[in-house]
Amino acid sequence: EIVLTQSPGTLSLSPGERATLSCRASQSVSSNYLAWYQQKPGQAPRLLMYGASSRATGIPDRFSGSGSGTDFALTIRRLEPEDFAVYYCQHYGSSPRLTFGGGTKVEIK
Amino acid sequence: QVQLQESGPGLVKPSETLSLTCAVSGYSISTGYYWGWIRQPPGKGLEWIGSIHHSGSTYYNPSLKSRVTISIDTSKNQFSLELSSVAAADTAVYFCARERSFDWLSLDYWGQGTLVTVSS
Repeated sequence: EIVLTQSPGTLSLSPGERATLSCRASQSVSSNYLAWYQQKPGQAPRLLMYGASSRATGIPDRFSGSGSGTDFALTIRRLEPEDFAVYYCQHYGSSPRLTFGGGTKVEIK
Repeated sequence: QVQLQESGPGLVKPSETLSLTCAVSGYSISTGYYWGWIRQPPGKGLEWIGSIHHSGSTYYNPSLKSRVTISIDTSKNQFSLELSSVAAADTAVYFCARERSFDWLSLDYWGQGTLVTVSS
């Protein structure tokens, strides 16, 4: 089973700053199988990135994804007020079919 | 626009069976994709429960497999979750979602979620 470890647990930043979130897999995975989600309080998660670096429909280009092997990152180029939320990475595998990281909360400093 | 809506009891007694339904609109589930259930205990992270294809093919999380049944009703364009022998640890917001199994390998449309509390 692939275990995804996200860091940091909480990121305190100001609007306009750059955010870099990390997702580390317990073993090497194909970048095709790595996705990122954003979740705001009381809402369902929203798909941001798939295939590690492809933006889902309607996602602004200030969001970017990168990485390979065991280390992946989600970067938010300049934080907008609506970007403060919890972010999850997700792996699509065999058993279990989907696993999620523990999440990183991006909060206003 | 694809929309998913969960429904079912918000309160279930310990040892009983949790039953939820996800109604899909804006897309025929017979067309393709897998359709899944994910849960999130209060204040915690996401856990995938299982997925089903319109053909009836299912995948379950090994940690829940012995207690989970997911079924699909293409005539009503909906799919359902049953989780048996529930305990307090099963208290969570339950989401249904569309699973892009063959291309994006992710969940692109989600329901709003429904809170299920396990308590006597």
